[in-house]
Amino acid sequence: DADVTQTPRNRITKTGKRIMLECSQTKGHDRMYWYRQDPGLGLRLIYYSFDVKDINKGEISDGYSVSRQAQAKFSLSLESAIPNQTALYFCATGEGPQETQYFGPGTRLLVL
Amino acid sequence: AQKITQTQPGMFVQEKEAVTLDCTYDTSDQSYGLFWYKQPSSGEMIFLIYQGSYDEQNATEGRYSLNFQKARKSANLVISASQLGDSAMYFCAMREGLIQAGTALIFGKGTTLSVSS
Repeated sequence: DADVTQTPRNRITKTGKRIMLECSQTKGHDRMYWYRQDPGLGLRLIYYSFDVKDINKGEISDGYSVSRQAQAKFSLSLESAIPNQTALYFCATGEGPQETQYFGPGTRLLVL
Repeated sequence: AQKITQTQPGMFVQEKEAVTLDCTYDTSDQSYGLFWYKQPSSGEMIFLIYQGSYDEQNATEGRYSLNFQKARKSANLVISASQLGDSAMYFCAMREGLIQAGTALIFGKGTTLSVSS
């Protein structure tokens, strides 16, 4: 079984809809991250959490919110989706002095 | 200014040849970490190799090595004996400062590697 899972893997939604992307991990890591990837722009950080009580905004948090329900679960919400939020979304976990991050398989989101 | 610069949008190499993917970084921190990730066409992000700023030796992991030149602020990925399965997008990333300072990874825009037979 994968250590970091994301659901759904693909999602099509309409402008204005609320949508939640979920991430679960079995690696036992405290740190979790949400990134989005757009063609030609690499990965950009949306939110991160260093433990259940700690939530921090990343570079591009506007239009997004997160919830850290447990050490193993970190959800990303788009309260009112817009077309420029169409992207590939990755959840990642990190641990250790290196802070090597391990990524989920990604969620492809299309906002019409 | 960009923190991570990957100047090669695309690279082409033949099987069994070695290839170097360039990465330069910009930080004023003394403690930092440099990473390379591979993203095949299927989309997942695969961790390849890590180099710490205080590591004196270049990191190696199988066919991957990281050519770390601290004074030049470069962290190039070298893939020896390329294989068809190496065709993918490659991202260089940096963690600035200490973990406790609350930083995540900063990614470059990536280099597409195409390996031909």
